Amino acid sequence: DAGVIQSPRHEVTEMGQEVTLRCKPISGHDYLFWYRQTMMRGLELLIYFNNNVPIDDSGMPEDRFSAKMPNASFSTLKIQPSEPRDSAVYFCASTRRARETQYFGPGTRLLVL
Amino acid sequence: QKEVEQDPGPLSVPEGAIVSLNCTYSNSAFQYFMWYRQYSRKGPELLMYTYSSGNKEDGRFTAQVDKSSKYISLFIRDSQPSDSATYLCAMTSGDAGNMLTFGGGTRLMVKP
Repeated sequence: DAGVIQSPRHEVTEMGQEVTLRCKPISGHDYLFWYRQTMMRGLELLIYFNNNVPIDDSGMPEDRFSAKMPNASFSTLKIQPSEPRDSAVYFCASTRRARETQYFGPGTRLLVL
Repeated sequence: QKEVEQDPGPLSVPEGAIVSLNCTYSNSAFQYFMWYRQYSRKGPELLMYTYSSGNKEDGRFTAQVDKSSKYISLFIRDSQPSDSATYLCAMTSGDAGNMLTFGGGTRLMVKP
């Protein structure tokens, strides 16, 4: 299996622009998670899906962030408009069932200027 | 105060040393405890997974959980330069789907 796939790996954009991050979970995994990692705040859960349905989005910082999972093999995290404080590494992770190992993707390194 | 506390380090040890990494937590509902290893510019990968209190050993790695003290540890024996990475503890109650709460990570450097 190819593991969790994320794209792009790096994104540099200007403040105010829309940013879309993409994730393909491991086939057969029913749970998908979006995390953000910064030096100051560490690894934070933003939102997670079960069977393509958003279950908990309490970690989404504000309305500028939105996430979708239109099917079992694809999810997006969108930031509109982006701000410099959104600069971070964004990880996607998936797992087959609750309480099982979460497998992380390589991350998208976002820099908002 | 954060729900899970972890010393950020860096922790520098010579090759072959025994390494002790620790986390404390405040939520008594946590029952599942994990250690992830994260190499620079990579995603975290699971090292150890334990349920409730007790010890678990896997090769050079031993995980300990003391729920009465709200304290978990990861021991690395015969540390190698390839162990140089950031180690993140994570935990969950198991009730809220699979939501993990992570510590901030400890950066470990093993010098040859």
